Amino acid sequence: GDSVTQMEGPVTLSEEAFLTINCTYTATGYPSLFWYVQYPGEGLQLLLKATKADDKGSNKGFEATYRKETTSFHLEKGSVQVSDSAVYFCALRGQAGTALIFGKGTTLSVSS
Amino acid sequence: EAEVAQSPRYKITEKSQAVAFWCDPISGHATLYWYRQILGQGPELLVQFQDESVVDDSQLPKDRFSAERLKGVDSTLKIQPAELGDSAMYLCASSLAVGGRSTGELFFGEGSRLTVL
Repeated sequence: GDSVTQMEGPVTLSEEAFLTINCTYTATGYPSLFWYVQYPGEGLQLLLKATKADDKGSNKGFEATYRKETTSFHLEKGSVQVSDSAVYFCALRGQAGTALIFGKGTTLSVSS
Repeated sequence: EAEVAQSPRYKITEKSQAVAFWCDPISGHATLYWYRQILGQGPELLVQFQDESVVDDSQLPKDRFSAERLKGVDSTLKIQPAELGDSAMYLCASSLAVGGRSTGELFFGEGSRLTVL
């Protein structure tokens, strides 16, 4: 069945460092891909998405490119801030339009 | 800004007791989901509704869990009897539907944290 694999955390960075959180997926056909973020004490919220191969999703300085050839959707940010400290979840929605399948999440901690 | 409302935020119960969670989705969102999130893991789907109909409950432990969305608006998730392994965060999410299908962009509530003693 469809699945998502994220890099293990926690990821600890200093402010203004470059961030990459790896995400790979297994799915038939052409799924839609998402990154959700969960800030401390808050619910999950959509960060960005991409619905077809080579699409780039971007929001709040974060970006991720849907790579069909490597089945990946890595999250990147050029310069992280303390306020980016959160748990990040990669997710996919199968071509059949099923509910989102989430990865296990990656905790990011940014220090000043 | 419209939000998904959930209650209670926290629930502590003893095993074998009954527990219920309530969710009020964003107005106009036809698709409603219940997910369970165990500490340190990603959310896992329990049940998906389209209006008042169940679309997917394949991962719902039906011997003890039940969910309903009688009028196609708010929803209740019930566990009876609760077991120690049910301790988790129960998340409700909703999304718009186009042509009878969810758009795929989910809006989550803050969740209901269940502790079973």
